[in-house]
Amino acid sequence: QQQVKQSPQSLIVQKGGISIINCAYENTAFDYFPWYQQFPGKGPALLIAIRPDVSEKKEGRFTISFNKSAKQFSLHIMDSQPGDSATYFCAAKVGGGADGLTFGKGTHLIIQP
Amino acid sequence: NAGVTQTPKFRVLKTGQSMTLLCAQDMNHEYMYWYRQDPGMGLRLIHYSVGEGTTAKGEVPDGYNVSRLKKQNFLLGLESAAPSQTSVYFCASSYGSGGLRDTQYFGPGTRLTVL
Repeated sequence: QQQVKQSPQSLIVQKGGISIINCAYENTAFDYFPWYQQFPGKGPALLIAIRPDVSEKKEGRFTISFNKSAKQFSLHIMDSQPGDSATYFCAAKVGGGADGLTFGKGTHLIIQP
Repeated sequence: NAGVTQTPKFRVLKTGQSMTLLCAQDMNHEYMYWYRQDPGMGLRLIHYSVGEGTTAKGEVPDGYNVSRLKKQNFLLGLESAAPSQTSVYFCASSYGSGGLRDTQYFGPGTRLTVL
């Protein structure tokens, strides 16, 4: 049973456009929702994270939108750049717990110049 | 700070061979994790540890063992490697206990091929 569903699997966006990746979760005990960015041959690196007490969090060109009632959250990349081309993973966990992260299957994002 | 380091970076094994992957962190983190990443599957938790001398099973623990004899090190062992264990293995660590302490920092990965 996949507890975090991520879409789309791949995404092509023109330079300067907005990239949007969506995730949905099932476990209502989740209360920590990070997004990771991974370049080929590298480990995942934390991009931005949110807790369900806020509906939106913005860091530079990256924004997380969170809808607790729908059990959905999304990543928006504004003014997308070729350097943003990477694989993005959403994840979730029970905050403060020792359990590891439950990851979505990833989105391969390509920003075309 | 080196952060999270993993040894080795690449390894090729034959079916039935054994090996140990080493993870080290210099951030004084309490929690450490081992994940595997397979194409189209995201990352899946193998085992984790909440402190020196403690370990626990994750989502896909079969065929693996772990040990945490020192706070800064977390070892992942394969006693009898199988082709299904061909994967990229990532170690991660965190302070734990909520808030920003939930942030997990990942190592660069070990690419393992089992023939």
